[in-house]
Amino acid sequence: GEDVEQSLFLSVREGDSSVINCTYTDSSSTYLYWYKQEPGAGLQLLTYIFSNMDMKQDQRLTVLLNKKDKHLSLRIADTQTGDSAIYFCAPPGDTDKLIFGTGTRLQVFP
Amino acid sequence: DTGVSQDPRHKITKRGQNVTFRCDPISEHNRLYWYRQTLGQGPEFLTYFQNEAQLEKSRLLSDRFSAERPKGSFSTLEIQRTEQGDSAMYLCASRTGTDNGYTFGSGTRLTVV
Repeated sequence: GEDVEQSLFLSVREGDSSVINCTYTDSSSTYLYWYKQEPGAGLQLLTYIFSNMDMKQDQRLTVLLNKKDKHLSLRIADTQTGDSAIYFCAPPGDTDKLIFGTGTRLQVFP
Repeated sequence: DTGVSQDPRHKITKRGQNVTFRCDPISEHNRLYWYRQTLGQGPEFLTYFQNEAQLEKSRLLSDRFSAERPKGSFSTLEIQRTEQGDSAMYLCASRTGTDNGYTFGSGTRLTVV
């Protein structure tokens, strides 16, 4: 079945870069997404990458896609305390719905 | 229309009662999704609609759960005879068929006591 795996926690110092990794088992979608969730809130679309791209840069965010290995990563440059949240990669499965793993909780300390 | 709206934001109910949640998608979005999220977990897919047609239901959606989207606009999710295990955040999302983003609402937090 469809599965998404991410490490549970990441802790970084303010100003450093954060890299959140994701592996997935199946995605037939044109796009793969990253979502951010702050405590008690819904999911906010952070960025996405077109499946025939290797890399996409969007201000402080860089997404890398290795489609052969089914590996997706999100790099946040100059991480700020406001970036503290849970980050989900979400490849759509074969029937259009998004598939989520447990997410990575990013903690940024001063 | 600024986003996906969910109502209520919070619901506390006694075990055994029925509850109904509402989702208003972005008006031009023809696809609507329901997810459930428990503490420490990612969202789990429940069901989705294209216009008024319910195209897929997860096996998580027991017979106590029913979802409707009668006119292809807003949707309701009803849980009958609630159980403590139903306590979760219920999230709704919408998108167009060709859009490249799924927009989520803020969710309805259900607590069954």
